[in-house]
Amino acid sequence: NAGVTQTPKFQVLKTGQSMTLQCAQDMNHEYMSWYRQDPGMGLRLIHYSVGAGITDQGEVPNGYNVSRSTTEDFPLRLLSAAPSQTSVYFCASSSGALGETQYFGPGTRLLVL
Amino acid sequence: AQKVTQAQTEISVVEKEDVTLDCVYETRDTTYYLFWYKQPPSGELVFLIRRNSFDEQNEISGRYSWNFQKSTSSFNFTITASQVVDSAVYFCALRGPGTASKLTFGTGTRLQVTL
Repeated sequence: NAGVTQTPKFQVLKTGQSMTLQCAQDMNHEYMSWYRQDPGMGLRLIHYSVGAGITDQGEVPNGYNVSRSTTEDFPLRLLSAAPSQTSVYFCASSSGALGETQYFGPGTRLLVL
Repeated sequence: AQKVTQAQTEISVVEKEDVTLDCVYETRDTTYYLFWYKQPPSGELVFLIRRNSFDEQNEISGRYSWNFQKSTSSFNFTITASQVVDSAVYFCALRGPGTASKLTFGTGTRLQVTL
């Protein structure tokens, strides 16, 4: 199993550009989520999904969209990139059982100029 | 609301020293889950341990041990005989009940182990 995969590993954008960060998992996990990691702030939840067709907002959702058309994939879209979105983005997944461990992808480092 | 506090921003030790990383949490739930993750310099997040609120047994895994005390809302992590490879940022996290519950992270403790 590949686990949780993310692409790209690194991306540079100009302010106003849009892009999609890809996330896929092959563990048949129902729960998937996106976090951003900024210095001194730990990881903060952007959006999450409890299954195909169901998504909801986390604590920092502004400027990001998600969709979940399949169990495996959970892409994160930046609609109009801003320098404040410079961060490291992690995708995670877990089974739908209560309190299960979330497993993280390798991360995408995004720089917005 | 949930909150996780890791008051130690950075710790430096010499190899073979023991070191304890503190984690204090706040939650109103009676059922909850606690985690520790390791983030080495390469950047990935590595799962170390999961503990549910009904299991206060301490756990030991090799040089790693965890002390869970509900009375003080703490879930501390001790590395015995630290090694250079233990150098990383360590995150404590809390997840509530419910399949949609989110994972709340502390701000992390950077551990530097030197020779």
